[in-house]
Amino acid sequence: DVKVTQSSRYLVKRTGEKVFLECVQDMDHENMFWYRQDPGLGLRLIYFSYDVKMKEKGDIPEGYSVSREKKERFSLILESASTNQTSMYLCASSPGRGSGGYTFGSGTRLTVV
Amino acid sequence: QKEVEQNSGPLSVPEGAIASLNCTYSDRGSQSFFWYRQYSGKSPELIMSIYSNGDKEDGRFTAQLNKASQYVSLLIRDSQPSDSATYLCAVIRNSGNTPLVFGKGTRLSVIA
Repeated sequence: DVKVTQSSRYLVKRTGEKVFLECVQDMDHENMFWYRQDPGLGLRLIYFSYDVKMKEKGDIPEGYSVSREKKERFSLILESASTNQTSMYLCASSPGRGSGGYTFGSGTRLTVV
Repeated sequence: QKEVEQNSGPLSVPEGAIASLNCTYSDRGSQSFFWYRQYSGKSPELIMSIYSNGDKEDGRFTAQLNKASQYVSLLIRDSQPSDSATYLCAVIRNSGNTPLVFGKGTRLSVIA
């Protein structure tokens, strides 16, 4: 019954590594989002996509990029991981523009050492 | 001013009481409002949405919206220990074509 799947629950990477976080949804949703969640800072939007091959920057895109080659898959890429990117990363999807009913994945706890 | 503001809590209520969670937002033209619940170590899940001024009830939950005061609240009646979680208020801004903006959440603790 899993609807939004994130590839890893826990990940440990070294500073400077290129990191890929994968997210797949099986609900045929148009929209996909990447957030990070940090204590005291809440959920912050990194990137989002309203269509295949489309991407838009969120509030904190620096140091990240994304890829959406297929409707169901939205990947977050940390070009050169840094310790300040240690965080919980949450992927979400929603049916269409203006829909606030997001379904979240279970999250990836990334630690950069 | 932050776009969506919530008291971080913790808000402690006894079992069976009414828990009242509040949220204010800065964009006067915001159209859509949502409440998410996040248990510790879990992802947020949608529990309520509200689009018009007034109250919307769903079981033990009531969402209240006052656009003139830019205020949204969530009431939980007959609070249970299983309601202990962080509650996130989220808003779609004026254009309607933008992602949700989340508040930082209020941590609720229901004491048995």
